[in-house]
Amino acid sequence: GESVGLHLPTLSVQEGDNSIINCAYSNSASDYFIWYKQESGKGPQFIIDIRSNMDKRQGQRVTVLLNKTVKHLSLQIAATQPGDSAVYFCAENPNSGYALNFGKGTSLLVTP
Amino acid sequence: EPEVTQTPSHQVTQMGQEVILRCVPISNHLYFYWYRQILGQKVEFLVSFYNNEISEKSEIFDDQFSVERPDGSNFTLKIRSTKLEDSAMYFCASTPGQGMYTEAFFGQGTRLTVV
Repeated sequence: GESVGLHLPTLSVQEGDNSIINCAYSNSASDYFIWYKQESGKGPQFIIDIRSNMDKRQGQRVTVLLNKTVKHLSLQIAATQPGDSAVYFCAENPNSGYALNFGKGTSLLVTP
Repeated sequence: EPEVTQTPSHQVTQMGQEVILRCVPISNHLYFYWYRQILGQKVEFLVSFYNNEISEKSEIFDDQFSVERPDGSNFTLKIRSTKLEDSAMYFCASTPGQGMYTEAFFGQGTRLTVV
């Protein structure tokens, strides 16, 4: 069936380095994508979103890239900080309603 | 900053019992959702609710589950005859309008433990 998945379950980076978290999706009809950050014991927190008519969107220290040709989404975090340590989920709206389809999550660990 | 609030933060119940999880969505939001996350797994959609009725539901949301907006502020998820496999974090979320391209705001979750 249609799915959203992540390439790597864990990612360890040094403080100050840039982080890249990847996500693959299989539903070519997906129209809207969101990255969420989830800290331990908390709910998902919105980071950045992108619509399918864009291939790049930038926020504060974060950039999302969308490659519709290969159905790939990435989240880039510049100058990663210890507070960025969390699980990151990509989520898609498959254009069939308002529900979000989440990927499995990548755990980002920032080491000093 | 407005937020989605959920109560209780942790609920322990015996198998076969009924539980009600409560949520107060952000006040001017129109769409409400329940998601669940089994430990170590991804967040899964259960149901969406708009204009006092279910607008979408997943295969997980079977007759064991029901949702209700009993008043102008609360949104509840009822799970009847709980099973061990219902143990999970349950997240409530809300979105401001009818537009599909709007972020969902999530609550902190209720950890349900069925024993």
